Amino acid sequence: AQKITQTQPGMFVQEKEAVTLDCTYDTSDQSYGLFWYKQPSSGEMIFLIYQGSYDEQNATEGRYSLNFQKARKSANLVISASQLGDSAMYFCAMREGYSGAGSYQLTFGKGTKLSVIP
Amino acid sequence: DAGVIQSPRHEVTEMGQEVTLRCKLISGHNSLFWYRQTMMRGLELLIYFNNNVPIDDSGMPEDRFSAKMPNASFSTLKIQPSEPRDSAVYFCASTAIRYNEQFFGPGTRLTVL
Repeated sequence: AQKITQTQPGMFVQEKEAVTLDCTYDTSDQSYGLFWYKQPSSGEMIFLIYQGSYDEQNATEGRYSLNFQKARKSANLVISASQLGDSAMYFCAMREGYSGAGSYQLTFGKGTKLSVIP
Repeated sequence: DAGVIQSPRHEVTEMGQEVTLRCKLISGHNSLFWYRQTMMRGLELLIYFNNNVPIDDSGMPEDRFSAKMPNASFSTLKIQPSEPRDSAVYFCASTAIRYNEQFFGPGTRLTVL
């Protein structure tokens, strides 16, 4: 079974609207972390937001928020007030285990290509 | 502060040639990861090091691939001999225990003809 599933290969959103990118994960660990990275057409990987499995509140970073539903094993990214510069590939990733134990490796989903329409 | 540095940024080579990709970690980081990105397989972890020690190399495709950390700030990924199916973007990323995220370099786009 895939550890990270992103079911939307591509998404369109009107500029200034909000958009939700879906991510579901599969793990039997109690301690894990969930990440979203952005990859614009220039190719670099840009970290956006992190959610720990024990965090009770949903993570927020500016216009990005992570809708964490632990029972459903979902970690959707919400981008508010979309901008043209948000057009990019977005990857959801998971770290299993406790980071203090040195288990830092990430497993990435296949990504969602977001296109923001003027 | 300088980010993760990778060189070269682009490499075009012929099948059978040796290829060496280089990565300089962010100062103070002690974990180093090599990833490969292709359209077909997405982002795959190849190998990672903690404190210069290889922890998990199960993602290395085959014996043609090898990675080293000769010191705490530098790593190489070598492919010998290279094959066309090795064509991909290779990223390295570094981090330290005080961070949750990994910090990615700009990547090396490798084309094997």
